[in-house]
Amino acid sequence: GAVVSQHPSWVICKSGTSVKIECRSLDFQATTMFWYRQFPKQSLMLMATSNEGSKATYEQGVEKDKFLINHASLTLSTLTVTSAHPEDSSFYICSALYSGGVYEQYFGPGTRLTVT
Amino acid sequence: AQKVTQAQTEISVVEKEDVTLDCVYETRDTTYYLFWYKQPPSGELVFLIRRNSFDEQNEISGRYSWNFQKSTSSFNFTITASQVVDSAVYFCALSDGNRDDKIIFGKGTRLHILP
Repeated sequence: GAVVSQHPSWVICKSGTSVKIECRSLDFQATTMFWYRQFPKQSLMLMATSNEGSKATYEQGVEKDKFLINHASLTLSTLTVTSAHPEDSSFYICSALYSGGVYEQYFGPGTRLTVT
Repeated sequence: AQKVTQAQTEISVVEKEDVTLDCVYETRDTTYYLFWYKQPPSGELVFLIRRNSFDEQNEISGRYSWNFQKSTSSFNFTITASQVVDSAVYFCALSDGNRDDKIIFGKGTRLHILP
């Protein structure tokens, strides 16, 4: 089956620094990837839709200057949390849309970000 | 607007009991997809099922079964003879039939299977 990886699986950073999270589709090409955020004991909230070669589309209420998304290739999307603050601490999950005949979305294992 | 409601926040049952997780959805689309995902403590989402709006047949997979009823906009999930390993958070989700493919998640039901 289709596999999506995320790196790192967890990261701790200091307040004010930036951190980059990678999302890769390992065995398929994905023109579209999605980024979700999940706070403890809450649901997944869609942050943005990442399209290869174009600007990401952000959901209402998500600061695009704070959460920079780059989808530079058909297998890689990155999310950079800029000037991170403790309230950005969360579980970030990406998914990649497989479009080989049937559109199916495959989720990565998630990245746990802790900002101290 | 699309919406998924999982009214049961948390459920506890004793091992070997059957348990049903409820899911009610709202959408104006005639073509849509419904999903169930399991999220164990590790955090990784485990895909369980995807059902399109034109297929109302119930589905059984081992101890898992799903009941899709368009008339009540429900897509309930039943675990038969529950096991401790079934303890997790279960999310019901919805996406429309467009290529957009955004998935909207319910708030999840935390299931505790007690030994």
